[in-house]
Amino acid sequence: DAKTTQPTSMDCAEGRAANLPCNHSTISGNEYVYWYRQIHSQGPQYIIHGLKNNETNEMASLIITEDRKSSTLILPHATLRDTAVYYCIVSLSGSARQLTFGSGTQLTVLP
Amino acid sequence: EAGVTQFPSHSVIEKGQTVTLRCDPISGHDNLYWYRRVMGKEIKFLLHFVKESKQDESGMPNNRFLAERTGGTYSTLKVQPAELEDSGVYFCASSPIGRGYEQYFGPGTRLTVT
Repeated sequence: DAKTTQPTSMDCAEGRAANLPCNHSTISGNEYVYWYRQIHSQGPQYIIHGLKNNETNEMASLIITEDRKSSTLILPHATLRDTAVYYCIVSLSGSARQLTFGSGTQLTVLP
Repeated sequence: EAGVTQFPSHSVIEKGQTVTLRCDPISGHDNLYWYRRVMGKEIKFLLHFVKESKQDESGMPNNRFLAERTGGTYSTLKVQPAELEDSGVYFCASSPIGRGYEQYFGPGTRLTVT
């Protein structure tokens, strides 16, 4: 699986959009980008995934650059409950088996 | 719909003892995974079941760990004998067949070995 690089931490004001970047410059053509988050003391939670097209669901949007070497997870209106560690994971195939969690980005939403 | 449940939520045992962790996946989910986070480290994959079969156990650290999923429903992870470095949080996750990327995690079992 390709390696990912994320900032260690970010802050965002409540109600504003949170944009979390991820670099995956060695991603191969058939590897997907997955985003999970872990709220303190809970298990990780699936957010969204994509291959090359931008994706949106009820939780977030995923923007993948045309060369697929980086992506951005967007939480359109961050709330205090979105404070969590966000993990960007690159994995072969659309049916990931083992997930490889890195150190992620600690997002803190400020009131 | 009930989520993934894990029991116990917290276990404190002495070095050399045995502990068994249990995971009940979401009903109908054939994929079941075990992960763990040991102190200060990242979440690491342990193994993956498809129904009752071990699909991938490449992350199991050593033969002191034994996972089972009899009947393809709940799973147990036994650590025997436990060592100090086994302390951490053990997560279980499940997903439907064909949607292995969308794993639903339980709250975890915090294991403390003293």
